[in-house]
Amino acid sequence: DAMVIQNPRYQVTQFGKPVTLSCSQTLNHNVMYWYQQKSSQAPKLLFHYYDKDFNNEADTPDNFQSRRPNTSFCFLDIRSPGLGDAAMYLCATSTILGGGSNQPQHFGDGTRLSIL
Amino acid sequence: SQQGEEDPQALSIQEGENATMNCSYKTSINNLQWYRQNSGRGLVHLILIRSNEREKHSGRLRVTLDTSKKSSSLLITASRAADTASYFCATDAKGNTDKLIFGTGTRLQVFP
Repeated sequence: DAMVIQNPRYQVTQFGKPVTLSCSQTLNHNVMYWYQQKSSQAPKLLFHYYDKDFNNEADTPDNFQSRRPNTSFCFLDIRSPGLGDAAMYLCATSTILGGGSNQPQHFGDGTRLSIL
Repeated sequence: SQQGEEDPQALSIQEGENATMNCSYKTSINNLQWYRQNSGRGLVHLILIRSNEREKHSGRLRVTLDTSKKSSSLLITASRAADTASYFCATDAKGNTDKLIFGTGTRLQVFP
């Protein structure tokens, strides 16, 4: 049973045309993450939500925005995609337990974004 | 800069052989995790080892952690073609438990 679902699996957009990627979860986890992963590279964290608190990474371009309207859903908006934004975008969830120890992250299968 | 560096970058072995991947990191950690990623898919959590643990086993997986050397290794015993994937270590920095930083990954190819 899929627990972190990303739609669509493949997305093609035009240079400069806004695009939104979506992620939903059935785990009721309080933390949701968005990663960018380029070919043969490690996932790079863009930002994450701890409940409703948004945490942006210092090197995430302003072109990338996120929304989390409720616990289950999170969106990644790319306002003006450039050719360099072509990548796999991964959503993940986690829960932070008392004591603050990091717990395993659960990933969706990603959305592969192509820019024409 | 990236927290974790892994070696080798790529590893090719025959079915039945053991595969060892190494991870080094830079700062003090709470725990270290290993993930597998099949081609075109998301990452799957394999095992978590806490900073006060030295070794952990899960099925054919054995993970060691040496905090004095800031390094970890993942051993896959009796490998199978289905183990073909990329393997990433991930660490959290002490005092920052919300997020992980992933290593560069090892691409493992297991030939039948």
